[in-house]
Amino acid sequence: DTEVTQTPKHLVMGMTNKKSLKCEQHMGHRAMYWYKQKAKKPPELMFVYSYEKLSINESVPSRFSPECPNSSLLNLHLHALQPEDSALYLCASSQGGAFGSNSPLHFGNGTRLTVT
Amino acid sequence: GESVGLHLPTLSVQEGDNSIINCAYSNSASDYFIWYKQESGKGPQFIIDIRSNMDKRQGQRVTVLLNKTVKHLSLQIAATQPGDSAVYFCAEAPTSGTYKYIFGTGTRLKVLA
Repeated sequence: DTEVTQTPKHLVMGMTNKKSLKCEQHMGHRAMYWYKQKAKKPPELMFVYSYEKLSINESVPSRFSPECPNSSLLNLHLHALQPEDSALYLCASSQGGAFGSNSPLHFGNGTRLTVT
Repeated sequence: GESVGLHLPTLSVQEGDNSIINCAYSNSASDYFIWYKQESGKGPQFIIDIRSNMDKRQGQRVTVLLNKTVKHLSLQIAATQPGDSAVYFCAEAPTSGTYKYIFGTGTRLKVLA
């Protein structure tokens, strides 16, 4: 079991659907991340929130919309996705703040997304 | 090991032997390094980390070695077990204070019974 919880575990959606991925952590971490991972590839950074503010957007298409309602929760809203967006979406957290990058990322087990 | 393309480099090791997984990193300014293990259907799991002011760090059955001169990182697993079968990623943090960790391409470790 991980300390970062992601729901749902699996999601199948059509290209016209709207859905949301959810992530929760209770480690008191102040940085939260969304990564996308394709098969046999390393995770690719999408977004970073630091102290509930969007800190990094890696030029992600607007059909992906992140939201950080509070320091424990992170959402990823999905709309009008394409089949090539099918992937494992990973949420992660780290201590953040003064620790910056000098603390490990803690990952959830991901949401396996299939766009039909 | 590094690779380009669709195939992960694979290391096959006999159960009980030691494993060494290598990673070449790109940025000489990187000051923090992490090894992750990813099992099928799961997210990457933290194994061990090391800061640039060290060249070796040991955990339970694992050792990370850092050679800054040649920008090389390795993970040694002692007495490899079937449960060690997974994909292993190294990650580097290019500069202090950034949230942009850079991941290596990954190595698949297969443990042979």
